[in-house]
Amino acid sequence: KNQVEQSPQSLIILEGKNCTLQCNYTVSPFSNLRWYKQDTGRGPVSLTIMTFSENTKSNGRYTATLDADTKQSSLHITASQLSDSASYICVVTGGGYQGGKLIFGQGTELSVKP
Amino acid sequence: DAGVIQSPRHEVTEMGQEVTLRCKPISGHDYLFWYRQTMMRGLELLIYFNNNVPIDDSGMPEDRFSAKMPNASFSTLKIQPSEPRDSAVYFCASSVTGTGIVTFFGQGTRLTVV
Repeated sequence: KNQVEQSPQSLIILEGKNCTLQCNYTVSPFSNLRWYKQDTGRGPVSLTIMTFSENTKSNGRYTATLDADTKQSSLHITASQLSDSASYICVVTGGGYQGGKLIFGQGTELSVKP
Repeated sequence: DAGVIQSPRHEVTEMGQEVTLRCKPISGHDYLFWYRQTMMRGLELLIYFNNNVPIDDSGMPEDRFSAKMPNASFSTLKIQPSEPRDSAVYFCASSVTGTGIVTFFGQGTRLTVV
């Protein structure tokens, strides 16, 4: 069964600290993996997209890694800011289609405290 | 571009009533998706269109749900009759072939059925 599991479910950190969110998937065949940030009351916004051949990708203070062999990905946030408080969703696309069969993780709820 | 535009942002309706959610995708995008997000199940794909044609509606919960895309710039998701368990946030998203597979989400419609 194609699944995407994220951990932890929720995380509280102090402003300025780093944190790492985890994503494990069992989707096969694999096309790409995305991390989305969803602020409360808003739609998800894409942070990074990685295909099978990419191991790491950065977007400002966000760095995503992908290990296609172990089917694991992580999202590292450096020097967290209050505005980083949001839900972070790992999304895996299976098969050859670019965006139809997105399989979503349940998300990690990050709270950054002053 | 204003992004994916959904209306209304919030909808409260009584059980049994018909509800229509609307979406305007980003101009030039040839894929349109309808997702539902709940606390229990996260984000779920309901249906997606390619060039206005429904491709996969296997995620539509039951016959009470229907979606149409009469032209490239407009889509509707209709629930008739609505039930309390339909309460969720409904997202519309769009993407375009060959651009790096980024899917853009709208702000969502929060539906409450009482």
